[in-house]
Amino acid sequence: AQSVTQPDIHITVSEGASLELRCNYSYGATPYLFWYVQSPGQGLQLLLKYFSGDTLVQGIKGFEAEFKRSQSSFNLRKPSVHWSDAAEYFCAVGATGGSYIPTFGRGTSLIVHP
Amino acid sequence: EAQVTQNPRYLITVTGKKLTVTCSQNMNHEYMSWYRQDPGLGLRQIYYSMNVEVTDKGDVPEGYKVSRKEKRNFPLILESPSPNQTSLYFCASSPRTANEKLFFGSGTQLSVL
Repeated sequence: AQSVTQPDIHITVSEGASLELRCNYSYGATPYLFWYVQSPGQGLQLLLKYFSGDTLVQGIKGFEAEFKRSQSSFNLRKPSVHWSDAAEYFCAVGATGGSYIPTFGRGTSLIVHP
Repeated sequence: EAQVTQNPRYLITVTGKKLTVTCSQNMNHEYMSWYRQDPGLGLRQIYYSMNVEVTDKGDVPEGYKVSRKEKRNFPLILESPSPNQTSLYFCASSPRTANEKLFFGSGTQLSVL
């Protein structure tokens, strides 16, 4: 069965600092990989998606993520964080192996200090 | 505007009183799904539907029902709610499958007393 691990429950950064949120997945082949963001009181919004091709994926709001097969990782990065980036971030593995059920990580809460 | 609309946003009810949370999308999407979000557990899928009259269980279907009589609507039914169903619920849709961009509703916060 596939699984997703987001090892950091909370991350605190200063505005303008760089950001990296970690995501590790467990699946035998290359899965569909996603990062979603949830602002307070809102639904989830897709930041970016990877399935094949270039392992560095560009998303919305200045985010990018890098797929590393050898490490089973799909970490999310942003070079300079804005206060409006404070939110909950979810990594997800898409439906695989005949299943139609995606798997979400537990989420990482990003706190941005002025 | 393309959107997924859930109602209500907040709901407080008592144990055993049947309730329905509505979900509607205006994007002609085939795939629709329901999730619950609990602290420390992320999102877990309750049910999904690949098209009209086609529904199937997700990871946590116990205590829930769904129906898909029209393409745009996918209501979530709790026939006898219990306190352990207190949670934040999200409806989501995509053009065809779970491996495309999911469009989420704004959520329904349910409290079962």
